[in-house]
Amino acid sequence: KQEVTQIPAALSVPEGENLVLNCSFTDSAIYNLQWFRQDPGKGLTSLLLIQSSQREQTSGRLNASLDKSSGRSTLYIAASQPGDSATYLCAVIGAGSYQLTFGKGTKLSVIP
Amino acid sequence: NAGVTQTPKFRVLKTGQSMTLLCAQDMNHEYMYWYRQDPGMGLRLIHYSVGEGTTAKGEVPDGYNVSRLKKQNFLLGLESAAPSQTSVYFCASSWGLAGGAMKQFFGPGTRLTVL
Repeated sequence: KQEVTQIPAALSVPEGENLVLNCSFTDSAIYNLQWFRQDPGKGLTSLLLIQSSQREQTSGRLNASLDKSSGRSTLYIAASQPGDSATYLCAVIGAGSYQLTFGKGTKLSVIP
Repeated sequence: NAGVTQTPKFRVLKTGQSMTLLCAQDMNHEYMYWYRQDPGMGLRLIHYSVGEGTTAKGEVPDGYNVSRLKKQNFLLGLESAAPSQTSVYFCASSWGLAGGAMKQFFGPGTRLTVL
């Protein structure tokens, strides 16, 4: 059974700092990996999707990398802003599957 | 485009009551999903559908039923609500390819309390 782990569970940084969120998964036979953002009381917003054949994806200040063989992904946020404060979730889909397996998230607080 | 919408946004039920949650998407996605989110447990898949008229069980299907009579709608039913079903329910939809599902779009959620 696929398991997804996100460390740390919470992170607090000063505004302007660059930061990295970590995600690991136990089964490397994945189809893709997605990073989501969830604001309190809201739904999930997809940030980046990396196909299993890709190494990274970028969107604005966000960069996600994937090392499938080691079962790891990182989400890099450059020049953090208070508006980046949210919970960030990592999720994987197994090859031939329709089911997303989620990590429990990292709660990020960016202090002005 | 409205994306993925969910009805209702909030609901309080008594134990044993029944209700249906409605999910609608206007992106012509083939795949639709129902998740529940609980503190400390993360998001877990309840049921999903890979096309009109099809449904399948996810990780935590017990106590729930689903129907996908129209491509744009996915209904989640609770026949006899229990306090353990108190949760936030999210619907999602996506495109799919032969190798698996693509980017998932989520609705805003339904907060359900069962007393």
